[in-house]
Amino acid sequence: DAGVIQSPRHEVTEMGQEVTLRCKPISGHDYLFWYRQTMMRGLELLIYFNNNVPIDDSGMPEDRFSAKMPNASFSTLKIQPSEPRDSAVYFCASSSQDNEKLFFGSGTQLSVL
Amino acid sequence: GQSLEQPSEVTAVEGAIVQINCTYQTSGFYGLSWYQQHDGGAPTFLSYNGLDGLEETGRFSSFLSRSDSYGYLLLQELQMKDSASYFCAVKISSGSARQLTFGSGTQLTVLP
Repeated sequence: DAGVIQSPRHEVTEMGQEVTLRCKPISGHDYLFWYRQTMMRGLELLIYFNNNVPIDDSGMPEDRFSAKMPNASFSTLKIQPSEPRDSAVYFCASSSQDNEKLFFGSGTQLSVL
Repeated sequence: GQSLEQPSEVTAVEGAIVQINCTYQTSGFYGLSWYQQHDGGAPTFLSYNGLDGLEETGRFSSFLSRSDSYGYLLLQELQMKDSASYFCAVKISSGSARQLTFGSGTQLTVLP
């Protein structure tokens, strides 16, 4: 298994631009999570899906952030418009129903200038 | 709300034993996990405690006491490659929700 796949690995953009982060979870996993990591705030849960349905999006910081999971093998996290304070590493993770273990992707390093 | 407390930094020498503590305050507690993250890398799962007691996996062990809202990660026979950040994470359960909240992490430095 290739594990959780995220793209792009790095993204540099200018303030005001739209940013789309992509994630392919491990096949067969029921849960998909989006986390953001910064030095100041650590690892924050933004949103998670169960069977493609968003369960809890209370961690999404603002309306500028949106996430979708159109099918079991693909999810996107979109920021529109982006701001410098959105600069962080964004991780996608997946897990199965009966397994406590989260598998993380390699993350997307986002820099908003 | 939820809160997790763990030391920000720990330093130890190669071959030693180190214990990283984690205390938590949360409703709907379901279990405690530990993750390791090397600089520039992704968090990787180390262990999970759903019940009180000790779980052992090779050089690493994890302990949970629900009554004390406390757990720890024990690393034995430290190696240089163990230098990393270690996160405790509480799993909470509320209705259909199952989510993991991470502590701020403990930076472990292993000295030769």
